[in-house]
Amino acid sequence: SQQGEEDPQALSIQEGENATMNCSYKTSINNLQWYRQNSGRGLVHLILIRSNEREKHSGRLRVTLDTSKKSSSLLITASRAADTASYFCATGRRETSGSRLTFGEGTQLTVNP
Amino acid sequence: DGGITQSPKYLFRKEGQNVTLSCEQNLNHDAMYWYRQDPGQGLRLIYYSQIVNDFQKGDIAEGYSVSREKKESFPLTVTSAQKNPTAFYLCASSSLRTGYTHEQYFGPGTRLTVT
Repeated sequence: SQQGEEDPQALSIQEGENATMNCSYKTSINNLQWYRQNSGRGLVHLILIRSNEREKHSGRLRVTLDTSKKSSSLLITASRAADTASYFCATGRRETSGSRLTFGEGTQLTVNP
Repeated sequence: DGGITQSPKYLFRKEGQNVTLSCEQNLNHDAMYWYRQDPGQGLRLIYYSQIVNDFQKGDIAEGYSVSREKKESFPLTVTSAQKNPTAFYLCASSSLRTGYTHEQYFGPGTRLTVT
């Protein structure tokens, strides 16, 4: 079953605005990762935040993690038309059978020029 | 040029036929993964492998089979037992270090259509 739930399912903004996407999960994790997928393509890793971290930045990306609420958010600042894509959160954990990621359903972001 | 390749990009098959999707990586990664993605949905894990000659079932393994005879290769066979095989299939790989799940690198995907 899917570990993560993302909110909103779809988001449409104007170029230059900020975009915020949220992710909630159910079980304990080692880390949480965000990926981007352009239509019909493979996923690209954006950023990883470990379970003992609260905030992380990478360029125009800011990720927060609240393990007490089992939630994370991804903020994209000063968005561009090229940011239009689907964004997925994925929770990482180690199991007896090995390490794996569990993906959410994704947020479809549209940035209008 | 390092990365993950999947072939073919598009694949068409008749119902009742088995089909094998190729996945090759030259990143020297130990772990490889197969996911299925349906339209407007997230990724669901089919199988994964952390070492040669060993693999584990994911969340939706029924109707699929894999092999891991070489570190670089992790082919997926969609068998006739898979009820709804039409989907976008993504292969990924990652390095393994003790204690953490690390970022995964994805191939471009294979879109399988079964009629």
